[in-house]
Amino acid sequence: DVKVTQSSRYLVKRTGEKVFLECVQDMDHENMFWYRQDPGLGLRLIYFSYDVKMKEKGDIPEGYSVSREKKERFSLILESASTNQTSMYLCASRSRVSWGELFFGEGSRLTVL
Amino acid sequence: SQQGEEDPQALSIQEGENATMNCSYKTSINNLQWYRQNSGRGLVHLILIRSNEREKHSGRLRVTLDTSKKSSSLLITASRAADTASYFCATDVRAAGNKLTFGGGTRVLVKP
Repeated sequence: DVKVTQSSRYLVKRTGEKVFLECVQDMDHENMFWYRQDPGLGLRLIYFSYDVKMKEKGDIPEGYSVSREKKERFSLILESASTNQTSMYLCASRSRVSWGELFFGEGSRLTVL
Repeated sequence: SQQGEEDPQALSIQEGENATMNCSYKTSINNLQWYRQNSGRGLVHLILIRSNEREKHSGRLRVTLDTSKKSSSLLITASRAADTASYFCATDVRAAGNKLTFGGGTRVLVKP
């Protein structure tokens, strides 16, 4: 069964802390994505990566960075967490070849106090 | 602004009824996809329709695509309480690179 695994379902951090959200996929997908989801705003793309060590800014990259050192792992980093980054974060992956469906992880709900 | 926007934002129906939701988008697409999300969980892919297709079926799901109107609809027939979820459309635009853009979603409540 194909799988995208996000390391933490729930996190509580303090303002100014550095936060790492990890995502691992076992489908050998080239493309990986980080979205954030907020009520009334749907899913908004933060960053995506189409290959190892490659990254592209999405629609709302400010305040975030990413790392893709291995094909299966895509990390989202909040250098200095702020309260407006309290949100649900969703990782997804898909094959570059197919232009097909995204496979999502279960999400990481981050609260910044 | 969002590429895809769903309508209505929320829908409440009785079990056994059909549920219809619509998605409008702004630019030409490569394909359009529908996803479902149960509360607090990740999204699950339901169906993909390519720009050269007009209608597609999968079980109790029927999706239509009208590229001239830049719109799509998702019909769930004979709804069940387990269909209670949020439904999102996502557009795949080749010119935008290998990424999907999601709408705000339709929350569907199916009452038993």
